[in-house]
Amino acid sequence: EDQVTQSPEALRLQEGESSSLNCSYTVSGLRGLFWYRQDPGKGPEFLFTLYSAGEEKEKERLKATLTKKESFLHITAPKPEDSATYLCAVTDTGRRALTFGSGTRLQVQP
Amino acid sequence: DAGVTQSPTHLIKTRGQHVTLRCSPISGHKSVSWYQQVLGQGPQFIFQYYEKEERGRGNFPDRFSARQFPNYSSELNVNALLLGDSALYLCASSRDRGHYEQYFGPGTRLTVT
Repeated sequence: EDQVTQSPEALRLQEGESSSLNCSYTVSGLRGLFWYRQDPGKGPEFLFTLYSAGEEKEKERLKATLTKKESFLHITAPKPEDSATYLCAVTDTGRRALTFGSGTRLQVQP
Repeated sequence: DAGVTQSPTHLIKTRGQHVTLRCSPISGHKSVSWYQQVLGQGPQFIFQYYEKEERGRGNFPDRFSARQFPNYSSELNVNALLLGDSALYLCASSRDRGHYEQYFGPGTRLTVT
């Protein structure tokens, strides 16, 4: 059974203070690892897909990386509008459903 | 292009009642998946439909059912509601079976009293 663990559960940063969120996964045959952003009361917003170890994707202040056991979401010089819950999910070769972690709640203070 | 749409936005039901939630996928997307998200947790997979056929089912009781229509929209039905069914129900669409990126709608907030 696929498992995804995200850490930390919550993170408070000052504006401009860079940091990283971790996503550890166990999956039998990784098909893809996905990062989503979710604002309170709303649906998850797609950010990145990573398919193989060593792959990196960037979007504005966010950069996602992937190894064989974990993924990192690096946030460079965050702004208050980056405050949200960041969700990590995986899918394996056997199915197309996403298995999610519990998320990291990020708060960026001005 | 419009994103995934869901209706209703909010719903309040009483224990034992039945509920139907609706979802329209992104234009051109043929696959729809349903997820349940309780407060503080990540979404949990309920069903996936592709070309009107069920392609996957999560660990949910038979009180949960779904279907997909010829226009690729979908309904999620829940019978004999329990207090524990209170959650945000999310619909996600993807282009087809070969594409794994799923795009989510805003969700339906169900409260069971």
